[in-house]
Amino acid sequence: DTAVSQTPKYLVTQMGNDKSIKCEQNLGHDTMYWYKQDSKKFLKIMFSYNNKELIINETVPNRFSPKSPDKAHLNLHINSLELGDSAVYFCASSAQTPGQGASGYTFGSGTRLTVV
Amino acid sequence: DQQVKQNSPSLSVQEGRISILNCDYTNSMFDYFLWYKKYPAEGPTFLISISSIKDKNEDGRFTVFLNKSAKHLSLHIVPSQPGDSAVYFCAASARAGKLTFGTGTRLTIIP
Repeated sequence: DTAVSQTPKYLVTQMGNDKSIKCEQNLGHDTMYWYKQDSKKFLKIMFSYNNKELIINETVPNRFSPKSPDKAHLNLHINSLELGDSAVYFCASSAQTPGQGASGYTFGSGTRLTVV
Repeated sequence: DQQVKQNSPSLSVQEGRISILNCDYTNSMFDYFLWYKKYPAEGPTFLISISSIKDKNEDGRFTVFLNKSAKHLSLHIVPSQPGDSAVYFCAASARAGKLTFGTGTRLTIIP
């Protein structure tokens, strides 16, 4: 049983398209995250949700919209895809809420998005 | 502005010897530090952490050292094993809880 699962694992799409990446965790965690690993291998936080509420929203273009239908799911929708959106996107979850420490992040295996 | 830096993109170590991975940070508000290990096509997995109130934490073959005055931490793996070959990310958090990652160091253990 995968603790944090992301689909799809690979996504190749043309510029201008809209796509979604889904994430589900079965750990009972309250907090979920989206991280982006760019071509320089830099892992950077994009969003964080706690119990379906947005708590962290870094400087990310409005074309990126997270949606959390329940605390076990955090999906990422991207509109009007651009070449620079090509990256690996990681979903993660943790039992702690911000301010309580950050040792319990469990990551998914990543979604490699390629925009052509 | 990269607040967590791993200046060595790669490191090769003979099996059985000590591996030392280094990490520097600039944000003095960071109070919790972690190391993650990542295999290809997998997400990062938590390895070991240290709070800013300590200067050392040990877990089996893995030890993390924190030097707050130098804003430096290191991960020691001894003895190094082939299965330790992976990319290692240093991460830090302040009270806000979000993790800020370094760019990673690729460790290769030579049999």
